[in-house]
Amino acid sequence: GQQLNQSPQSMFIQEGEDVSMNCTSSSIFNTWLWYKQDPGEGPVLLIALYKAGELTSNGRLTAQFGITRKDSFLNISASIPSDVGIYFCAGPRTTSGTYKYIFGTGTRLKVLA
Amino acid sequence: NAGVTQTPKFQVLKTGQSMTLQCAQDMNHNSMYWYRQDPGMGLRLIYYSASEGTTDKGEVPNGYNVSRLNKREFSLRLESAAPSQTSVYFCASREDRVSNQPQHFGDGTRLSIL
Repeated sequence: GQQLNQSPQSMFIQEGEDVSMNCTSSSIFNTWLWYKQDPGEGPVLLIALYKAGELTSNGRLTAQFGITRKDSFLNISASIPSDVGIYFCAGPRTTSGTYKYIFGTGTRLKVLA
Repeated sequence: NAGVTQTPKFQVLKTGQSMTLQCAQDMNHNSMYWYRQDPGMGLRLIYYSASEGTTDKGEVPNGYNVSRLNKREFSLRLESAAPSQTSVYFCASREDRVSNQPQHFGDGTRLSIL
């Protein structure tokens, strides 16, 4: 089936550092979503992107919809310990007009204080 | 506003036992989804319901059944649990099946099959 590849799979960073991660697809998407999952909880939407080239911020988070529509990027500035968790990208696939979302395998972030 | 509520939060079953996972949303969303999350594999769609009265298979439907009881509730049933179904199960809902609206997730049910 269609896959979304996230990179890196995991990363350890020092508090205060900036973080970059990306998501790539073999197919074109018209929407990119970024979710964060805290330990023991469900994914929570961080940023939604709806237009190629779009750059959207949510606090210290900034996400971009790639020009090719096959990739997206998430940056976290000045990381803090509560940024720890798994970050997922997701994109829609339509079947007979019904939207289903495909999720990447996630980037696991650990922040060292 | 509770959003998406899943029950139970944890469950341990023996192989062959049956179990129904419950999900309810209070956002008046049309679409509801069941995913399973396994280490290193992200979220995989089991079943979804685009509207009340309809259900469709997702990526990994084998061994599961679903019921869209009404607009609020979407349950997932394991008729004869197998160890391979040990996973974390997430329910999600979405406002409109034909737009790009994102999904909202519950906190998950952690299921272990012995």
